[in-house]
Amino acid sequence: DGGITQSPKYLFRKEGQNVTLSCEQNLNHDAMYWYRQDPGQGLRLIYYSQIVNDFQKGDIAEGYSVSREKKESFPLTVTSAQKNPTAFYLCASSGMGELFFGEGSRLTVL
Amino acid sequence: SQQGEEDPQALSIQEGENATMNCSYKTSINNLQWYRQNSGRGLVHLILIRSNEREKHSGRLRVTLDTSKKSSSLLITASRAADTASYFCATVDSGAGSYQLTFGKGTKLSVIP
Repeated sequence: DGGITQSPKYLFRKEGQNVTLSCEQNLNHDAMYWYRQDPGQGLRLIYYSQIVNDFQKGDIAEGYSVSREKKESFPLTVTSAQKNPTAFYLCASSGMGELFFGEGSRLTVL
Repeated sequence: SQQGEEDPQALSIQEGENATMNCSYKTSINNLQWYRQNSGRGLVHLILIRSNEREKHSGRLRVTLDTSKKSSSLLITASRAADTASYFCATVDSGAGSYQLTFGKGTKLSVIP
């Protein structure tokens, strides 16, 4: 089936640790995005990529890093520099306008 | 930055009733989109309306856009319990150099059977 796969669905991290969230798509979309969602809030853009080997910071990029080595993959690393990383992370891709989202990864810092 | 602001923040209705949600935004847009999110899940695209369109229909959904008032509304007719979800509007700025969506905080809809 075509779509976006995020893993893991749930992740626990100790303070000071880096973690990487996976996002894979088989929709042949050029553009991919990472959003953060906090309870009762909308989505805030972390990073986006319009083409392989290129990505841009969004509104809240501090403490996060990404790579785009393949068209299908756009992993997000939450570094120890992110002060409040507990959140729901959503990956998306787009072709002609609308976004297609994965099911999300919930990160909890212990 | 969050541009879209949905109103109301929460809405509770009986099954069979219509649900109306509103979205206001601040800058000129290329298009406006509505998404649905079930609790703990990803978002699902519902409908896209372009800046030169005033109304659009998709099944039980009707979306209107008033660019002079910088507002949009989403109407769900004959609601069902399965419509219970959060609904978000998202805008694409007309001046944006790339295709970025800016989301509002959403309206949480509860449909009571």
